[in-house]
Amino acid sequence: DAGVIQSPRHEVTEMGQEVTLRCKPISGHNSLFWYRQTMMRGLELLIYFNNNVPIDDSGMPEDRFSAKMPNASFSTLKIQPSEPRDSAVYFCASSSQGYGYTFGSGTRLTVV
Amino acid sequence: GQSLEQPSEVTAVEGAIVQINCTYQTSGFYGLSWYQQHDGGAPTFLSYNALDGLEETGRFSSFLSRSDSYGYLLLQELQMKDSASYFCAVSVGWGKFQFGAGTQVVVTP
Repeated sequence: DAGVIQSPRHEVTEMGQEVTLRCKPISGHNSLFWYRQTMMRGLELLIYFNNNVPIDDSGMPEDRFSAKMPNASFSTLKIQPSEPRDSAVYFCASSSQGYGYTFGSGTRLTVV
Repeated sequence: GQSLEQPSEVTAVEGAIVQINCTYQTSGFYGLSWYQQHDGGAPTFLSYNALDGLEETGRFSSFLSRSDSYGYLLLQELQMKDSASYFCAVSVGWGKFQFGAGTQVVVTP
């Protein structure tokens, strides 16, 4: 099993540009989560999907953020336009039991 | 409001025992999880307690008291590779976890 796969591992972009982060969950896992980690705010849940349907997006900071899960094996998190305060490590995680996540390696985003 | 409190840092020598406490105040509670994260790495799942009591998994054990809104992670026979951040996380809804700020465990020779 390859685990949860995220791409890219690192992303450096200029303020105002669109950023798309990608995630492939573990096959058979029916829940997918997007988290953001910063030193100041720790690990924050942005949005999660169950069976490809968004269940709770109350953690999405603002309308600049959007997430999709078109099928069971792929999800995207898009930021448009990006701002320097969006700089963070973005983790995708998947789960089948509802209590233990498997996290991907994360995408380190730097907005300059 | 919702809060999870855990110590920011704990230092111990190899072979010692470390207990990381976590107290929580959340609007919902389904269980308490623990995760380990090495610098530059991803959090990895260690344990989950839905009911009161102690769960043991090798050198690591986790405890929960729902009536006290309290849990802890016990690390025994500390090894250098155990130097990492440890997060408690409360399930506030199915599959939805709120994470604590993390405890940095430093293991010295």
